[in-house]
Amino acid sequence: QVQLQESGPGLVKPSETLSLTCTVSGGSITSGSYFWSWIRQPAGKGLEWIGRMYTSGTTNYNPSLKSRVTISLDMSKNQFSLKLSSVTAADTAMYYCARERGGLVAVPFIDFWGQGTLVAVSS
Amino acid sequence: DIQMTQSPSSLPASVGDRVTIACRASQSIGTYLNWYQQRPGKAPKLLIYAASNLQSEVPSRFSGSGSGTDFALTINSLQPEDFATYYCQQSYSTPRTFGLGTDVEIK
Repeated sequence: QVQLQESGPGLVKPSETLSLTCTVSGGSITSGSYFWSWIRQPAGKGLEWIGRMYTSGTTNYNPSLKSRVTISLDMSKNQFSLKLSSVTAADTAMYYCARERGGLVAVPFIDFWGQGTLVAVSS
Repeated sequence: DIQMTQSPSSLPASVGDRVTIACRASQSIGTYLNWYQQRPGKAPKLLIYAASNLQSEVPSRFSGSGSGTDFALTINSLQPEDFATYYCQQSYSTPRTFGLGTDVEIK
């Protein structure tokens, strides 16, 4: 059973960079047709897709965040990471890492999620 | 971006009820539609993928239907553990987008 676990600071100052890591266990991030994704959810609100990365290096980012987001993979550690620069209070949210499954002929879906990590942006 | 509109936003119901949640896409997405359940304080959980396929180990009282722009999630014989928030999500294109959610709450 694949498990994902987010880690990183719970408090980030405005204008600084938010950095989170997702550790994957129970399977290799290099195997299969998977996109490794980040999604966030402000308290009491809905889900916002941040972006994803494939093991080939292909990335897709939400245009609303694209100028500030970087997702990367560390295959040696079976981890992937999120960096969000120039944060403001509007970036305060629960951040989830997730695995999106789907190949060229299948309908993609997110089948595994981390438990989430709460990040607050405040001075 | 493809906009996903869910209705209703809140759905009061009782144990044993049959409930249906609607989801509409701003453009045709075929069957590239997934449903997730989120309980308070927990991560979302996949219920239905590709509009009508039940994810492994999800109870058969959950079902999904639709294609194109209009979709529905139906829960037959609502159980106490089903009181939660439900989200639809399109996986037709990026950015992936979710509906705003439907809170199924105790009447």
